Amino acid sequence: AQSVTQLGSHVSVSEGALVLLRCNYSSSVPPYLFWYVQYPNQGLQLLLKYTSAATLVKGINGFEAEFKKSETSFHLTKPSAHMSDAAEYFCAVSEVSNFGNEKLTFGTGTRLTIIP
Amino acid sequence: SQTIHQWPATLVQPVGSPLSLECTVEGTSNPNLYWYRQAAGRGLQLLFYSVGIGQISSEVPQNLSASRPQDRQFILSSKKLLLSDSGFYLCAGLLAGGPYNEQFFGPGTRLTVL
Repeated sequence: AQSVTQLGSHVSVSEGALVLLRCNYSSSVPPYLFWYVQYPNQGLQLLLKYTSAATLVKGINGFEAEFKKSETSFHLTKPSAHMSDAAEYFCAVSEVSNFGNEKLTFGTGTRLTIIP
Repeated sequence: SQTIHQWPATLVQPVGSPLSLECTVEGTSNPNLYWYRQAAGRGLQLLFYSVGIGQISSEVPQNLSASRPQDRQFILSSKKLLLSDSGFYLCAGLLAGGPYNEQFFGPGTRLTVL
């Protein structure tokens, strides 16, 4: 069965500093991986996804993530944090599946706080 | 584009009262649809998913039920709410046209049971 672990339920960084949110996955087959962002009282918005085309994936709002098979990781980074990045971030994994069984497994989320 | 609508946006209900949350999708036909719940400080818990009209799969036994009366409509219900049903409920759809199982989400419903 697939699973996702997000290390650190809360991360605080200073404005302008590097953002690093960690995600490790477990999957029996090559996975598809996603990062979603959730602003307070809103739904989830896709930041980026890994679909095996390239190991370094660029997303919206300056975020990127690198798929590392040897480390089973898909960490999310942004070189310079902005106040508007304050939100909750979810990593998710999907296995290639048969029709009728398409599901995502989500991590427990990381709340990112930006310090002015 | 594919969009999920949810209503109401917020709801305050007494314990023991019934519940009906509605989710509709536009921009696609016969999508897989999902109900998730977020309890305070916790991640997303998949409650139900549906691959078509009248087809519901339950992920966890609980006080809730789901129905899919129409292709683009997904309803979450309860006959008698419990305090533990409080949370943020999200409806999602499977993005059509791709093999990656990407999901798109509605704006959510904040349910408070008192």
